[in-house]
Amino acid sequence: AQSVTQLDSHVSVSEGTPVLLRCNYSSSYSPSLFWYVQHPNKGLQLLLKYTSAATLVKGINGFEAEFKKSETSFHLTKPSAHMSDAAEYFCVVRPPNDYKLSFGAGTTVTVRA
Amino acid sequence: ETGVTQSPTHLIKTRGQQVTLRCSSQSGHNTVSWYQQALGQGPQFIFQYYREEENGRGNFPPRFSGLQFPNYSSELNVNALELDDSALYLCASSDYRGVSGYTFGSGTRLTVV
Repeated sequence: AQSVTQLDSHVSVSEGTPVLLRCNYSSSYSPSLFWYVQHPNKGLQLLLKYTSAATLVKGINGFEAEFKKSETSFHLTKPSAHMSDAAEYFCVVRPPNDYKLSFGAGTTVTVRA
Repeated sequence: ETGVTQSPTHLIKTRGQQVTLRCSSQSGHNTVSWYQQALGQGPQFIFQYYREEENGRGNFPPRFSGLQFPNYSSELNVNALELDDSALYLCASSDYRGVSGYTFGSGTRLTVV
């Protein structure tokens, strides 16, 4: 079975400072991993995905994530937070040869001016 | 490229009633998945439709049912509504197995009173 644990339910950062959102997964096989963002009253938007290519994945809006198999982690980072980054972020796992996405509980990011 | 449209955006129903939620499919996609997102939680997989048939289901009772139409749009039906069914319902369109990614709609907010 696959599961995802987002280690922080809430992260607060100042504008212009780095953002780190932590995600650990458990999977019997090498899964596909995703980060999605959800702004209020909006659908889920894909930030980036890992599908067994390069372990450092670059996404949209300056976000990137590093896949570390030994640590079963897929942490999301951004060097400099912007006010528009305030949103809910979800780490998502999908096992190989499967269609079902399993979501973490989410991390709420607030950005202080 | 069209996105995924869900209707209605908001809905209030009484316990015991039935509800139908609708979802378009993005151009080029033939698969639709439905997710339930309770307040403060990550989305949970309900089921997936491919070629007008359900081909995967999460841990939801049979009173959650669906349809997919020849144009790949989909409906989610919930019978005998319970208070715990109050949630944001998201649909996602994709190709089979999501090889090229998933496009989510903005969701339908269902409140059961």
